[in-house]
Amino acid sequence: GENVEQHPSTLSVQEGDSAVIKCTYSDSASNYFPWYKQELGKRPQLIIDIRSNVGEKKDQRIAVTLNKTAKHFSLHITETQPEDSAVYFCAEAYSSYKLIFGSGTRLLVRP
Amino acid sequence: GAGVSQSPSNKVTEKGKDVELRCDPISGHTALYWYRQSLGQGLEFLIYFQGNSAPDKSGLPSDRFSAERTGGSVSTLTIQRTQQEDSAVYLCASSFPGGRGTDTQYFGPGTRLTVL
Repeated sequence: GENVEQHPSTLSVQEGDSAVIKCTYSDSASNYFPWYKQELGKRPQLIIDIRSNVGEKKDQRIAVTLNKTAKHFSLHITETQPEDSAVYFCAEAYSSYKLIFGSGTRLLVRP
Repeated sequence: GAGVSQSPSNKVTEKGKDVELRCDPISGHTALYWYRQSLGQGLEFLIYFQGNSAPDKSGLPSDRFSAERTGGSVSTLTIQRTQQEDSAVYLCASSFPGGRGTDTQYFGPGTRLTVL
């Protein structure tokens, strides 16, 4: 069925360190995997996405990797800064339209 | 250009009352989605519109929930006889051009609904 597992639920890192968030999905037909960042009281904002024909994608300090065989994908944030503190959601699209979201990871970057 | 907008930003209602939540998508976006986010939880899909039609209403929690879209633009989510478990943030998103899952979905700021 439709399911995305996201870990960890909370993550605390020192400023400058890296943060990694992992998601596992169940439907092998899924072909689109976006990541959203949601600051407190704000709307979710797309920060990066990856499609199934690509194994890795980078955008400055953010990267996403996809392993279709294992059905998992990960978000990597390097050189973390306090403004990276937020809740991050992974999602997958297994059909033509709706996104199935993970439960979120609350990231805290300690100055 | 303007992003997705929603109104009201906050709504407090009494149990049993009906509420209407409004979404204005990005101009030209043909696909529109409603999600629900309960406190501290992820986003739960409710309904999807392509133009004025709703091919998938499977996420609506009960028959108290309904939604419509007119003119291929504004959408209204209606909750009848509200219950306390309906309290959540209701988020709208839109995408262009075809509403495929691989089209980027842009979210509105949400409506925080509190049912007393």
